[in-house]
Amino acid sequence: EVQLVESGGGLVQPGGSLRLSCAASGFIFNNFYMTWVRQAPGKGPEWVANINEDGTETYYVDSVKGRFTISRDNAKSSFFLQMNSLRADDTAIYYCAKSVIGAGPMGYWGQGTLVSVSS
Amino acid sequence: DIVMTQSPDSLAVSLGERATINCKSSQSVLYDSDNNNYLAWYQQKPGQPPKLLIYWASIRESGVPDRFSGSGSGTDFTLTISSLQAEDVAVYFCQQYFNTQWTFGQGTTVEIK
Repeated sequence: EVQLVESGGGLVQPGGSLRLSCAASGFIFNNFYMTWVRQAPGKGPEWVANINEDGTETYYVDSVKGRFTISRDNAKSSFFLQMNSLRADDTAIYYCAKSVIGAGPMGYWGQGTLVSVSS
Repeated sequence: DIVMTQSPDSLAVSLGERATINCKSSQSVLYDSDNNNYLAWYQQKPGQPPKLLIYWASIRESGVPDRFSGSGSGTDFTLTISSLQAEDVAVYFCQQYFNTQWTFGQGTTVEIK
C-alpha cells in the first residue's frame, strides 16, 4: 500500500525557515516524480514544486523561487522541502504527492502538514 | 503560466441527476507529439487531500466509479457525474500538467439540491 507521510510543519515567524519531509513507502520510490502542493485556508490547491526521479530536475512556482528548495534521498525513500524567508502568504497545509505516471497527475497524496507563518 | 478557469463556481444537483463541470485552459494542453491532453480532475472533501479522478482528460483512475467521466480536448474540458450520489458532495478541481508550471482551476463546489 502506498503511503506518504509529511512532517516538519509548525508555527514560524516571518523570515524564518522550516524543512518539510515526506516519507514514502509501498512503491519503488526512485521510479517516481514527486511533488509538493499547498492549500491555504479556504483556497484551492497550489502546485509548489516538483522533482524528477533522480533529483536532477526541479521546478518551482514563481512565488517560491529562490526561497524554497526541493530535494530527495532515494536511499531513504524520502523527499524534502526546505523553506526559507517564509512569508505570511506561505501559510497553508503542505501536501506531498506521487505522480501516477512520469511527470504526470498526482495519484497519491499525504494527509498534509500545516505551516503557519505569523509573528 | 497556463490559467485554468472552471465554471460554474458551484452547482446544486438533485440526487440521481447529472452534474457537469467545465474547465477552460488559457492555452492548449494537447501535446501534438503524443496526442494526449495533459489535464486531470480531482475531488476534494473537507479535511482530506485531493483525490485523483481522471487523467489524460478522459482516463478514469483505478477504483473511481464509472459515473465519473471526463471529456474534451485542447482548451475545453468537462467532468460529468452521470448520476449524482450523496457521497459526491465535494469540491472538484481541474489541473494541467502540460508544462513545468502546473496549475489548478479555482474549484467547483457540488451540492445536493
